[in-house]
Amino acid sequence: EIVLTQSPGTLSLSPGERATLSCRATQSVRSNYLAWYQQKPGQGPRLLIYGASSGATGVPDRFRGSGSGTDFTLTINRLEPEDFAVYYCQQYGTSPITFGQGTRLDIK
Amino acid sequence: QVQLVESGGGVVQPGRSLRLSCAVSGLTFSRSAMHWVRQAPGKGLEWVAVISFNGNNKYYANSVKGRFTISRDDSKNTLYLQMDSLRPDDTAVYFCAKEEMSPDCGGDCYPYFDYWGQGTLVIVSS
Repeated sequence: EIVLTQSPGTLSLSPGERATLSCRATQSVRSNYLAWYQQKPGQGPRLLIYGASSGATGVPDRFRGSGSGTDFTLTINRLEPEDFAVYYCQQYGTSPITFGQGTRLDIK
Repeated sequence: QVQLVESGGGVVQPGRSLRLSCAVSGLTFSRSAMHWVRQAPGKGLEWVAVISFNGNNKYYANSVKGRFTISRDDSKNTLYLQMDSLRPDDTAVYFCAKEEMSPDCGGDCYPYFDYWGQGTLVIVSS
């Protein structure tokens, strides 16, 4: 099973700043089949990025995914108040699909 | 507008049963493979079960195999999760989610999820 480790656990930033979230896998993610989700309290996750770098429909272009192999990054440029949430990565290259434990993005 | 709305959660004693529902609108349900994913309090996401678009194929996480049953009723655009022999470690918010796959995955394809519901809370406690 591929274990995904997200860092940092919590990130405290101010609106307008840039957030950099990391997702590291214990083995290479096949074909960079990695997705990122945003989750707000009381809501289900929302797909942001798939294929490591492709933006999902309706996602603002300030959300950028990058990386390959075992190291992936979600960058959020010019943080907006609505961006403060928990972010999860998920690999879907190998069974079983697995999720990271999440990064909480807090308002500083 | 795509909507997935779960219902049926609640407090149940260990060993008892519960059935969750997920009403889907805004997409062609009958062409969609559907999943249940759960999230224990304060924890991350755990995949639970999948049903193929035609209902012929069903797969489960080892942690629920033999106790949970996924099903669908395309006439009602509704997904179900029958949960039997519930245990305290089944306590979680349960989400339904629509599957998506990369078109170039070849024969070895696994899903990510492009639509999710808001979840329904199941608490297993005596």
